[in-house]
Amino acid sequence: ETGVTQTPRHLVMGMTNKKSLKCEQHLGHNAMYWYKQSAKKPLELMFVYSLEERVENNSVPSRFSPECPNSSHLFLHLHTLQPEDSALYLCASSRTSGSSYNEQFFGPGTRLTVL
Amino acid sequence: GDSVTQMEGPVTLSEEAFLTINCTYTATGYPSLFWYVQYPGEGLQLLLKATKADDKGSNKGFEATYRKETTSFHLEKGSVQVSDSAVYFCALSDSGSARQLTFGSGTQLTVLP
Repeated sequence: ETGVTQTPRHLVMGMTNKKSLKCEQHLGHNAMYWYKQSAKKPLELMFVYSLEERVENNSVPSRFSPECPNSSHLFLHLHTLQPEDSALYLCASSRTSGSSYNEQFFGPGTRLTVL
Repeated sequence: GDSVTQMEGPVTLSEEAFLTINCTYTATGYPSLFWYVQYPGEGLQLLLKATKADDKGSNKGFEATYRKETTSFHLEKGSVQVSDSAVYFCALSDSGSARQLTFGSGTQLTVLP
């Protein structure tokens, strides 16, 4: 595998389910990101991890819980979601050097549908 | 706060037509500017970028020039192909850092043979 991979590619879940999205990067980067892409809206940055520490949390509801166990893996744990959370969830990674972050590389996304 | 405004789509062109997708921005300081492309079923890919005023980013026949006086970064291609059909996103980042990207809403381009 090369680049940024995401699993699953598609997920349908009920509002009472608990599920997790997985992202893995094979680029040797040390920063990872979760974005939400909804129809007809700009991409929304949800979380940023740098060197496995969360450095951005853009007012995301607590029903979304990120986890970054190492620099290559990023998870998004989901529980008691709402139908309006249905969207494409994109993972990205980049290399950081001090306070400077370089170009972000994106995965193909997980299409989430909440019933 | 920072914002990016793109022309609304969808845009439909015939093969070999000239393409312009308008992008204007609002930002404090001196942001870096980007165009990303998203092909069907795939994630976003960086198409080109410019980091300072009057810089021209170019890639795969696409070009965009960082215009500080008009706060614009319009995407152009002289002759589009069917394979250019995708969604195009304009984005900016804080000066000196690409950690926080602010995206436009995207423009769907369809090129017909």
